[in-house]
Amino acid sequence: GAVVSQHPSRVICKSGTSVKIECRSLDFQATTMFWYRQFPKQSLMLMATSNEGSKATYEQGVEKDKFLINHASLTLSTLTVTSAHPEDSSFYICSASGTSGRALPYEQYFGPGTRLTVT
Amino acid sequence: KQEVTQIPAALSVPEGENLVLNCSFTDSAIYNLQWFRQDPGKGLTSLLLIQSSQREQTSGRLNASLDKSSGRSTLYIAASQPGDSATYLCAAEGANNLFFGTGTRLTVIP
Repeated sequence: GAVVSQHPSRVICKSGTSVKIECRSLDFQATTMFWYRQFPKQSLMLMATSNEGSKATYEQGVEKDKFLINHASLTLSTLTVTSAHPEDSSFYICSASGTSGRALPYEQYFGPGTRLTVT
Repeated sequence: KQEVTQIPAALSVPEGENLVLNCSFTDSAIYNLQWFRQDPGKGLTSLLLIQSSQREQTSGRLNASLDKSSGRSTLYIAASQPGDSATYLCAAEGANNLFFGTGTRLTVIP
């Protein structure tokens, strides 16, 4: 099946710094990418949806100025957590969908996730 | 490595029927089991979360069970409605990752 990678897999940063997480579709063109986060003992929750070349659509309660999403190409989306605080510590997962290459229509292909710890 | 499988891959039922979706996982050392709904072109919607210490969770017409020892979870949908038509995904959370199943595409026929 289609493959999505995420980098880094783990990151520890100090409070107040910014962290960028990359999500790449390796063998297909991702027209849509989704960003999720999961806090401990809670369900995975959708943060935002981004279509290539367009501004991301954020779910209610997710601050767009804090979680900057860039989907500038069909194979790369980035999530930047700006001025990170300890409460932003979470597991962040991206997924991608597309209709080219190895991707089936409307299927979501998930990255392996990034565990962010803010100290 | 954890492997999560969902059976059947697709299911069609008439409106009003009760149905069961199955999820199996190979490594019983999980933190929790989650069920999601996916509509075409949309992000996942969380339905139910069962912690590893729990046996089941209920929300409205949905009931999810977990049997860690046998590596199985089921999602029961009562009195199905056309609006329930979607793809349902389960995911098992391990120490450092969330492992998704292949999904069951449900169609509820009016």
